[in-house]
Amino acid sequence: DSGVTQTPKHLITATGQRVTLRCSPRSGDLSVYWYQQSLDQGLQFLIQYYNGEERAKGNILERFSAQQFPDLHSELNLSSLELGDSALYFCASSTSRGAGGYTFGSGTRLTVV
Amino acid sequence: QKEVEQDPGPLSVPEGAIVSLNCTYSNSAFQYFMWYRQYSRKGPELLMYTYSSGNKEDGRFTAQVDKSSKYISLFIRDSQPSDSATYLCAISNTGNQFYFGTGTSLTVIP
Repeated sequence: DSGVTQTPKHLITATGQRVTLRCSPRSGDLSVYWYQQSLDQGLQFLIQYYNGEERAKGNILERFSAQQFPDLHSELNLSSLELGDSALYFCASSTSRGAGGYTFGSGTRLTVV
Repeated sequence: QKEVEQDPGPLSVPEGAIVSLNCTYSNSAFQYFMWYRQYSRKGPELLMYTYSSGNKEDGRFTAQVDKSSKYISLFIRDSQPSDSATYLCAISNTGNQFYFGTGTSLTVIP
């Protein structure tokens, strides 16, 4: 167990729907990162939050949004889902700037049908 | 041009061999480097973290950074079947946003 908890582990939903992925960071970590991993693209950085504030933004679609709550857990919201959004979504956490590396959760496997 | 390039393999070696995994990167400003191991689409597991250049050793694993060539390597000594996984390199200039390679698939044959 890495200490980073992601729920749900699996999600199957239809095109056009909206889903929410949840992440609880490792105890003491203030930064949360969201990554998307698909077979052809590898791990793609989506967004980073630090202590409740957005810190960095990557290739995140406008249909996607995220937030980090006061208790430091984070949610990634995916809306108007398309078949191409099917992927593994990982959350990672770190103490501050990522110095020392990230710790990843076990991921949420999203399948859009 | 991608920020980091990694040969996807697959790489197959006999047990006990020395494995060399490599990545090249495009931006000389990158100074944070990581190597992750990922089993069967599970969460990546941090193996090595280095800052700036030089070597870092941890058990059977050695990470090497050559900033002049924009080239990083991970060496695995005395490889074991349990080392069979996908290895991902990751680089950053700020320590915040890391760019990941697409991963090299390694199989260690008993």
